[in-house]
Amino acid sequence: AQSVTQLGSHVSVSEGALVLLRCNYSSSVPPYLFWYVQYPNQGLQLLLKYTTGATLVKGINGFEAEFKKSETSFHLTKPSAHMSDAAEYFCAVSDQGSQAGTALIFGKGTTLSVSS
Amino acid sequence: GAGVSQSPSNKVTEKGKDVELRCDPISGHTALYWYRQSLGQGLEFLIYFQGNSAPDKSGLPSDRFSAERTGGSVSTLTIQRTQQEDSAVYLCASSLDRGRVKGYTFGSGTRLTVV
Repeated sequence: AQSVTQLGSHVSVSEGALVLLRCNYSSSVPPYLFWYVQYPNQGLQLLLKYTTGATLVKGINGFEAEFKKSETSFHLTKPSAHMSDAAEYFCAVSDQGSQAGTALIFGKGTTLSVSS
Repeated sequence: GAGVSQSPSNKVTEKGKDVELRCDPISGHTALYWYRQSLGQGLEFLIYFQGNSAPDKSGLPSDRFSAERTGGSVSTLTIQRTQQEDSAVYLCASSLDRGRVKGYTFGSGTRLTVV
């Protein structure tokens, strides 16, 4: 069975500082990996995804994530935080090869706070 | 429509009452998903519809929960005899494929409060 662990339910950074949100997954088959962002009172918005190919993927708003198979990780980073990045971030996993079509499995989320 | 639409946006109901939550997916999206988001619990998968196939109901927490999707489009999630632990935000999402390549498009959710 697949699972996702997001280390740290709450991360606080200063404006301009590096953002690092951690995600580790468990999957018996090659995974598809996603990061979503949720702003207050809104639905989730896709930030970026890894399916196949290049392991460093770039998304919207300057975020990127690197798929590291050996570490079963897909950490989200941004070089310089903006106040507008304050939101909740969710990592999700789906299997690559299943024909059954399972739904995405989400982590419990990490709330990012950005201070001036 | 342009996005996934959910109604109502907020619902307060008394314990023991039945509620219906509606989801209008993006036109042409064959897959539709319901998730429940509780504080500190992330997103809990409830049910998944794909085209005309039988839905994957493996995430429904009890037989008080049911969902249907009419005509491959609009979906209704029904909770019977609501309990206080049902209070949560219910999110609907849709996707063109199974969502594994392009991801999902989410609605803004229905915040359900059971008093």
